[in-house]
Amino acid sequence: GAGVSQSPSNKVTEKGKDVELRCDPISGHTALYWYRQSLGQGLEFLIYFQGNSAPDKSGLPSDRFSAERTGGSVSTLTIQRTQQEDSAVYLCASSLRPTGRSGNTIYFGEGSWLTVV
Amino acid sequence: KNQVEQSPQSLIILEGKNCTLQCNYTVSPFSNLRWYKQDTGRGPVSLTIMTFSENTKSNGRYTATLDADTKQSSLHITASQLSDSASYICVVTGGGGSNDYKLSFGAGTTVTVRA
Repeated sequence: GAGVSQSPSNKVTEKGKDVELRCDPISGHTALYWYRQSLGQGLEFLIYFQGNSAPDKSGLPSDRFSAERTGGSVSTLTIQRTQQEDSAVYLCASSLRPTGRSGNTIYFGEGSWLTVV
Repeated sequence: KNQVEQSPQSLIILEGKNCTLQCNYTVSPFSNLRWYKQDTGRGPVSLTIMTFSENTKSNGRYTATLDADTKQSSLHITASQLSDSASYICVVTGGGGSNDYKLSFGAGTTVTVRA
């Protein structure tokens, strides 16, 4: 597609349920990020994928959170046993190559709005 | 302490007026600095990217400046329009070596343009 696509755009789930959020990066982009943005807050890093390298999972807040990226393209963020504090916008972003010194543009999706009730 | 500080937290300006947003950072080593615009309920959209050697970059009515010596950047909005109402986020890439993909986000400045 033309941009980073995320689904679902909105998700309301009951506390304790598992949710899966999907990200389709721009075709050919090797770098993929997941961020979380709580209401009125800045973006919080969750996980970073780069090509076939081991992902940087240092931002995942607990072992209830996991993510994978299959075939170097689509990524899925899974939250198990959701809690109310998980309510946030989950943003996915991708870039053609690692951002670093190259200054590649990082493109964000529109986010998946998660509400845990 | 956040490595990217933005000011002001919010501001209100009249349509047609100019405004300047500030970003100070401590990320080191520094790779590049980006400004993003985030409309309410939308994902951030890139406005400018500046590397160490660049000290100004424009995108339409948006002009970003960078002083890598003082670790300061500004985003100037000229002749503001109602559609400029959004949050503007300063993002710094750095960390050196294998950490060069890490992004440090400011908390953003919320701009409200009034008719």
